[in-house]
Amino acid sequence: QVQLQESGPGLVKPSETLSLTCTVSGYSISSGFYWGWIRQPPGKGLEWIGSVYYSGNNFYNPSLKSRVSISVDTSKNQFSLQLTSVTAAETAVYYCVRTYGSGGYFYFDYWGQGTLVTVSS
Amino acid sequence: EIVLTQSPGTLSLSPGERATLSCRASQSVGSSYLGWYQQKPGQAPRLLIFGASSRATGIPDRFSGSGSGTDFTLTISRLEPEDFAVYYCQQYGNSPLTFGGGTKVEIK
Repeated sequence: QVQLQESGPGLVKPSETLSLTCTVSGYSISSGFYWGWIRQPPGKGLEWIGSVYYSGNNFYNPSLKSRVSISVDTSKNQFSLQLTSVTAAETAVYYCVRTYGSGGYFYFDYWGQGTLVTVSS
Repeated sequence: EIVLTQSPGTLSLSPGERATLSCRASQSVGSSYLGWYQQKPGQAPRLLIFGASSRATGIPDRFSGSGSGTDFTLTISRLEPEDFAVYYCQQYGNSPLTFGGGTKVEIK
């Protein structure tokens, strides 16, 4: 059974960098699939942030591309999100996901439980 | 960017009734690249349908998806108590991948 678990600070200051890690169990990241992040502001809808293959090939939401980086650490079976220069509007629950598909045609078949990140001074 | 419009915003039904949820895309999503997710309060979304009409692993057959191009439907044939939740559609035929605003299915 594939399981994903997010970890990282729950509070980030405006203009600083949001950093989260997702630990995967029950599946080896290096065996395949893309791995990604989706966020959901409180009471609102879902926004795809980006997805990355274990070898480094990545797809990002163009609206965030200049500020986002997703990396993979196969030795720890983890992948990470970095989002720079955050604002209060980016307060959200951040989900890590297993991404099914290729060439940017993705849907999301396994989800972490989500972690709330609040952007506030 | 493809905008997905879900309707109705809220659907009030009783257990045992049939639910029909709509997802309309601002342009064709191409080759049925459309998924549906269920989200309950305090939980992560769960994949129900991919490829417009294929059920994900473990999803009961009372859930069915249909449609192509710009118009898609999720049908729940007979609502069970655990089906009351918010449902989102997602297109994956164009970048950026986008989600609809959701339909809440509530108990009448």
